Amino acid sequence: DVKVTQSSRYLVKRTGEKVFLECVQDMDHENMFWYRQDPGLGLRLIYFSYDVKMKEKGDIPEGYSVSREKKERFSLILESASTNQTSMYLCASSRSLNPPYNEQFFGPGTRLTVL
Amino acid sequence: RKEVEQDPGPFNVPEGATVAFNCTYSNSASQSFFWYRQDCRKEPKLLMSVYSSGNEDGRFTAQLNRASQYISLLIRDSKLSDSATYLCVPTNFGNEKLTFGTGTRLTIIP
Repeated sequence: DVKVTQSSRYLVKRTGEKVFLECVQDMDHENMFWYRQDPGLGLRLIYFSYDVKMKEKGDIPEGYSVSREKKERFSLILESASTNQTSMYLCASSRSLNPPYNEQFFGPGTRLTVL
Repeated sequence: RKEVEQDPGPFNVPEGATVAFNCTYSNSASQSFFWYRQDCRKEPKLLMSVYSSGNEDGRFTAQLNRASQYISLLIRDSKLSDSATYLCVPTNFGNEKLTFGTGTRLTIIP
């Protein structure tokens, strides 16, 4: 079974703090993704990575950066957290970007609150 | 037109009933589809993949209508454990990103 883990289930930070969210997958997947999920807006892609040290912007990259130094690990960084970044953050991984192996497997999510 | 549109619901359905909901998509090149289910405060998990005209897995049936660009999910003999939000995801070769629908919320009532 694919397992995607995230470093924290719940996180509370203050405005202006630097925040690191870590994600690890154990299935040797090439691709990893960071989403945020907000009520009524669904899942929105922040960044994704198709290889070590490679990254691509998603639909809402502003205010975020990412790092992928090892294949199994993909980090999301909030350089200076703001209250509008309060959200559920979901990490995912997939074997391929194309059908039929582009199913994404999700981690349990990190609920981040910025005060 | 949005890439993916789903009726947000909620659908409140008595246990044992059959329920169906649709997902419309705008990209006619979409070749395959995922249905994910997401329980409250949990991550999405794959329910079903659809690569042709449809797929059936036990009580769950997905049917694709390419001409009208929608895919439906039908749940027969609904169980309390089917209560969740169901996310539709069209996918096609060459598109690196998946666009998730905002989901249809289903509640099965005892």
